[in-house]
Amino acid sequence: EIVMTQSPATLSVSPGERATLSCRASQSVSSNLAWYQQKPGQAPRLLIYGASTRATGIPARFSGSGSGTEFTLTISSLQSEDFAVYYCQQYNNWQTFGQGTKVEIK
Amino acid sequence: EVQLVESGGGLVQPGGSLRLSCAASGFTFSSYEMNWVRQAPGKGLEWVSYISSSGSTIYYADSVKGRFTISRDNAKNSLYLQMNSLRAEDTAVYYCARGIMITFGGYFDYWGQGTLVTVSS
Repeated sequence: EIVMTQSPATLSVSPGERATLSCRASQSVSSNLAWYQQKPGQAPRLLIYGASTRATGIPARFSGSGSGTEFTLTISSLQSEDFAVYYCQQYNNWQTFGQGTKVEIK
Repeated sequence: EVQLVESGGGLVQPGGSLRLSCAASGFTFSSYEMNWVRQAPGKGLEWVSYISSSGSTIYYADSVKGRFTISRDNAKNSLYLQMNSLRAEDTAVYYCARGIMITFGGYFDYWGQGTLVTVSS
């Protein structure tokens, strides 16, 4: 099983600042990597697939990068609605999720 | 608008059974692969099961293999998960998720709101 490790577990950021979230795979997943956002009491929402392609309706302030084993989700200027938990997920070999990064207000 | 609406969750005793349903609308259900993904309280996400668009190909996570059965009725635009021999560790919110499958895995572009399954005596 491919293990996905996200860091940090919690990220404290002020509104308007940039947030950088990391995701590492235990073996190469090529570009088969997705990012999701989950707010309390809600279902996850797809943000990014193919490591860097924004899903339909996702604002341009969200961007993804990386390939192989190292990936990054960047939120260029945090808005109030962006404070949430973010999960990465590989789909190169079945599908496994990271444990999540909580982005909280500083 | 794509909509996925789960139902059927509830409280069940260990060893018991439950059947979850997911009603789909807003897209051609019979053309898409579907999945169940669960989330234990306060925990992360875990893929549970996959079914192909026709229902001919099915996969399960090792944690539920032999106990859970996924199925679909394309005429009714519905997805199901029959859960038997339930354990405390199956306690979770169960999400129905539309899958975009690439080679040996896929990502999930639409999710339902989830239904809570609690296994407890």
